[in-house]
Amino acid sequence: DVKVTQSSRYLVKRTGEKVFLECVQDMDHENMFWYRQDPGLGLRLIYFSYDVKMKEKGDIPEGYSVSREKKERFSLILESASTNQTSMYLCASNRDSTDYGYTFGSGTRLTVV
Amino acid sequence: AQSVTQPDIHITVSEGASLELRCNYSYGATPYLFWYVQSPGQGLQLLLKYFSGDTLVQGIKGFEAEFKRSQSSFNLRKPSVHWSDAAEYFCAVGALTGGGNKLTFGTGTQLKVEL
Repeated sequence: DVKVTQSSRYLVKRTGEKVFLECVQDMDHENMFWYRQDPGLGLRLIYFSYDVKMKEKGDIPEGYSVSREKKERFSLILESASTNQTSMYLCASNRDSTDYGYTFGSGTRLTVV
Repeated sequence: AQSVTQPDIHITVSEGASLELRCNYSYGATPYLFWYVQSPGQGLQLLLKYFSGDTLVQGIKGFEAEFKRSQSSFNLRKPSVHWSDAAEYFCAVGALTGGGNKLTFGTGTQLKVEL
């Protein structure tokens, strides 16, 4: 089975800190995604990447950036964390553009204080 | 742009009763449609998907969904709910974009099962 691993289950950071959320997949998938999940809002796409060093903005990219230097790793970066970025962050991957069978990680719950 | 509406935020059913979760989508072309389930503290798991062909699709855990183009709907059903089905359910529509594809999710329906 494909595994998508998010390095932290819970994180607490201070306002203004630079925050890195890491995601690793082990099945050579081309595409990787970062979603944010908030009650009543469902999942909203922040950024995705369809190849190494390639990225595309999702629906809510403001305040975030991403990095994909290696195929298996996709990092979400909060340049200056703010309290409104307190949320559950979910990483996902899929094989390629013909594959809609996303595999999700277990999520990182980030609290910004 | 595509969008998904799940009109029911919470649903409560008794164990053994039937279940239907509603999903309406908006998309300009033939949609790719999905249902995912999220148990507490977990990531999302794919229940079933519709790409084309038979409009009634079967998924895992005894779930099925029916695609109705005339109603822009893709409702999820289960004939007899088990207590372990209590979870949050998300409907999603898929689209090609840029070099890849992306899913747009609804806001979710929280299912509670009464014993």
